Amino acid sequence: NAGVTQTPKFRVLKTGQSMTLLCAQDMNHEYMYWYRQDPGMGLRLIHYSVGEGTTAKGEVPDGYNVSRLKKQNFLLGLESAAPSQTSVYFCASSFTPRTEAFFGQGTRLTVV
Amino acid sequence: AQSVSQHNHHVILSEAASLELGCNYSYGGTVNLFWYVQYPGQHLQLLLKYFSGDPLVKGIKGFEAEFIKSKFSFNLRKPSVQWSDTAEYFCAVSGSQGNLIFGKGTKLSVKP
Repeated sequence: NAGVTQTPKFRVLKTGQSMTLLCAQDMNHEYMYWYRQDPGMGLRLIHYSVGEGTTAKGEVPDGYNVSRLKKQNFLLGLESAAPSQTSVYFCASSFTPRTEAFFGQGTRLTVV
Repeated sequence: AQSVSQHNHHVILSEAASLELGCNYSYGGTVNLFWYVQYPGQHLQLLLKYFSGDPLVKGIKGFEAEFIKSKFSFNLRKPSVQWSDTAEYFCAVSGSQGNLIFGKGTKLSVKP
């Protein structure tokens, strides 16, 4: 049972480049989340999804887009990367808002 | 909008000392409350959760938390910390919309 898997684990982008981060969960969870973690800022919610085909904005959605075409996958896209998007990105999933959220191992993204 | 405040940025304790980490939340409806822990270099793991019933909840590794509705608080406690408790601790709240919001975290350093 893999749980929540994020790819890639590391990436370096040049300013203006685009990329997609993939999150896959094998637990049949309805809810999926994308966070960024920066020193002293905790985890800030970028976007989330409450089910297949749905997405919603979190606390810091600007500069990011997401899609949930399949229940098990939640994609985070950066259309034009900026140095301010240098961060560690975590994906998480849960059955409901009352149950434990399981986290992936994170993606360390550097934008130069 | 939902928000979570953690009072302490960095707490330094000696082994066997007692721990209390503060957490206050802002949310108008029914809430689900969580404490997560992040050990160095790892992803977040659930310590404990509360969504109804007994306001004193017990979690893993001897941690407990008390929900005080009138104070909008959910403080984390442990009677006697160990060196292995060195980690960053995050309080989180989720609501009916499904978003899961985290505080900025409290780093705990335990001196042997």
